[in-house]
This record gives sequence, structure tokens and C-alpha cells, in this order.
Amino acid sequence: GIQVEQSPPDLILQEGANSTLRCNFSDSVNNLQWFHQNPWGQLINLFYIPSGTKQNGRLSATTVATERYSLLYISSSQTTDSGVYFCAAPNYGGSQGNLIFGKGTKLSVKP
Amino acid sequence: DSGVTQTPKHLITATGQRVTLRCSPRSGDLSVYWYQQSLDQGLQFLIQYYNGEERAKGNILERFSAQQFPDLHSELNLSSLELGDSALYFCASSVGSSGTPLHFGNGTRLTVT
Repeated sequence: GIQVEQSPPDLILQEGANSTLRCNFSDSVNNLQWFHQNPWGQLINLFYIPSGTKQNGRLSATTVATERYSLLYISSSQTTDSGVYFCAAPNYGGSQGNLIFGKGTKLSVKP
Repeated sequence: DSGVTQTPKHLITATGQRVTLRCSPRSGDLSVYWYQQSLDQGLQFLIQYYNGEERAKGNILERFSAQQFPDLHSELNLSSLELGDSALYFCASSVGSSGTPLHFGNGTRLTVT
């Protein structure tokens, strides 16, 4: 099955800083999804991004499917951005709906 | 609020027991997924149902079983529980059988003592 790797594993930022999280995947995919797990454990879907770039407020994501990676940009970080960010890709080229998750990037934003 | 409802939020039980976790998908979603999140294994896919039929199977133990009912809600049954089954169990739903965004419920935290 597909392998999903995320970097860095941990990230500490001062409030207001920008950051880039990376996700590499081992096989061709027809979609890539980013999730945020907040400190209360809730998993929120941030982006469904098969290719190209999408923006949602201070967050944006870019997937370069041909090179098998995706990036999540966080600008002007806030303490509420803290938590774990996961990327996830479908197994078996997307023939199945289930997603394989990376191990996540744990982000801590300090005031 | 994702629209996916999971009950109960917390469950504490003893080894050897059986529990049932319940999930109601978002309105209009036909697929339901179950995931297990533990500290050492991360987020692991267990099983997917689409419109009542099993669609995909992941790392689900034989002691675990699931089903999706005609009203599209799903139940995950965990039996002969072991200490290692303690984890956060998530349900997610999506519109299609593949290639559509997943939306997660708030999870059920299971503690086996």
C-alpha cells in the first residue's frame, strides 16, 4: 500500500510566524487531504486537494501530484493553530475511499 | 461541527468485555469509515461501508466487527477486549465510495481496565 511521510514531526512557532509542512507519498493518488487535530482530539478536514493550490484564510495547500508531495502553509500563526496536522492519501490509487494517514506534524504556537 | 455523530464519547470497561460504538454519518453521505487512533500506531483504518455494503477492510482484528444499517448509521462491535484496545475510535463519512472528502466525528475514547 501507499506510504505517507510527513515532516517535520514537531514544530514550535512564535505567534505571528509562518510555517510550511510537507507531505510525501509513495504512489500516484487522485486526491490528498489535510486534517487538523486540535488539542481536544477533534479531526477537522482542512483541504481536499488532488492537485494545484487552494486557500482558506491563513491556510493554503499545494499538491504536486506528479512529484508526489503536498505542502501546507500556515501564515501569521495563532495559538489556536496548535495541534497535530495530518495529511492522508487514498490507498490503491484511490480505488478505495479509505485514507492512509501520515504520522503527523505536531505544531505548538507560543503567545 | 462536522455533522458526524458518535456515541458514546467515553467508554470505560474491563478486559474480556464487549462494547458497541455507534456512528451517524452526515446527511447525504453514503460511506462510513472506522479508524482507530492509538499513541503507538497512529491513525489506522479499520473498515469502510458504502450504502450498507462492506467496501474496504484494513487492519481490523477478528474480535472486531462492524455493520452499516439501512438508515446508514453504523456500529462497531469490539469483543473480548484487551488492554491494548484502549484507543480513540473515530468514525468518518463521505458522499462517495472513493475520491471524496472525509469528515470525522469527535470520536469515542475507549479505556479498557
